[in-house]
Amino acid sequence: DGGITQSPKYLFRKEGQNVTLSCEQNLNHDAMYWYRQDPGQGLRLIYYSQIVNDFQKGDIAEGYSVSREKKESFPLTVTSAQKNPTAFYLCASSIGQGRGGTEAFFGQGTRLTVV
Amino acid sequence: GQQLNQSPQSMFIQEGEDVSMNCTSSSIFNTWLWYKQEPGEGPVLLIALYKAGELTSNGRLTAQFGITRKDSFLNISASIPSDVGIYFCAGQPKKAGNTPLVFGKGTRLSVIA
Repeated sequence: DGGITQSPKYLFRKEGQNVTLSCEQNLNHDAMYWYRQDPGQGLRLIYYSQIVNDFQKGDIAEGYSVSREKKESFPLTVTSAQKNPTAFYLCASSIGQGRGGTEAFFGQGTRLTVV
Repeated sequence: GQQLNQSPQSMFIQEGEDVSMNCTSSSIFNTWLWYKQEPGEGPVLLIALYKAGELTSNGRLTAQFGITRKDSFLNISASIPSDVGIYFCAGQPKKAGNTPLVFGKGTRLSVIA
């Protein structure tokens, strides 16, 4: 089945450790996005990538890093520099504006808890 | 970053009632989208709107792209318990170059049976 897969569903991290969240899509979408969701805050954009080997900072990129080495994959690393990493992280993809598509389709999310 | 003003923030309604929520922006948008999110899951796309004035239905859901291109509303008719969730509006700003969607903060809907 086509779709976006995030893993793991739940993740626990000790303070001071980096952790990488996985996002894979088999929709042949050019664009991929990472959002952070906190209660009452809606969705805040962390990073996005419109094409392979290129990515841009979103509104809250500090303490995060990404890579886009393959079209299908857009992993997010939450570094120890992120002061408050406990949140629900959502990955999304879209066809890409160059191909006329703006609708974003979301994965099921990863809930990260710092212990 | 740019944000959409979505209201109401939350709603408690009786089963069978109709629901209306809306999003507004100070700037023009090319596309309006409405999503629903259930607890612990990612948002699911409900309706996409591409033209000013466009009115689109999806079952009991109806959404409209405002004529000024600065607002959109979502109506749910004859609500049922499974309508419970958070509804988000999202828009594609009218800007040069590629820009990601902007999201509202969501409307939390509770349905009382």
